[in-house]
Amino acid sequence: SQQGEEDPQALSIQEGENATMNCSYKTSINNLQWYRQNSGRGLVHLILIRSNEREKHSGRLRVTLDTSKKSSSLLITASRAADTASYFCATVRSYGQNFVFGPGTRLSVLP
Amino acid sequence: DAGVIQSPRHEVTEMGQEVTLRCKPISGHDYLFWYRQTMMRGLELLIYFNNNVPIDDSGMPEDRFSAKMPNASFSTLKIQPSEPRDSAVYFCASSGQEESVTDTEAFFGQGTRLTVV
Repeated sequence: SQQGEEDPQALSIQEGENATMNCSYKTSINNLQWYRQNSGRGLVHLILIRSNEREKHSGRLRVTLDTSKKSSSLLITASRAADTASYFCATVRSYGQNFVFGPGTRLSVLP
Repeated sequence: DAGVIQSPRHEVTEMGQEVTLRCKPISGHDYLFWYRQTMMRGLELLIYFNNNVPIDDSGMPEDRFSAKMPNASFSTLKIQPSEPRDSAVYFCASSGQEESVTDTEAFFGQGTRLTVV
């Protein structure tokens, strides 16, 4: 069954604004990862946050994790038109387990 | 490394025909995953392998679907006979041990867009 659930399903913002996407999950996890998918392409890994971490940064990306609420958020600051893509969260329960992906958030950044 | 390589990129076939999708994982990776993506159902795990052995095939929709991994550098997903509802994008992904065994990420191929008419 699908574990991660992102919201919103779709988000449209202006270039330069920040974009926030949320992910909720149901079971205990080892880590949570965010991926990006450009139209017609495969998913590309963006960032990973471990279950014992609360926040992580990578360039314009900021990820938070709240294991008590079983939720995570991905913040993209100063968005660019090139950030237009679908973003997915994936949970990993433990090494050797599969990656469970949510339905994704479609982000449109308007120039 | 060229990444995960899938072939073909596009496949159009008639209902009832056999379809074979191919995947070459990243060298050294010991996990291989097959996913199917549709608008309605999102990204679904079909099956995954560890060291060429199938670990979980509970996502394989029907007996019409089969997957093999004869060696560490090659896997196939076969649909026989194909049906229009099998139309989707099929992704192969691989992952492997990093310094910390818990910090593995999935590397995806470009996918095979299958259309069954």
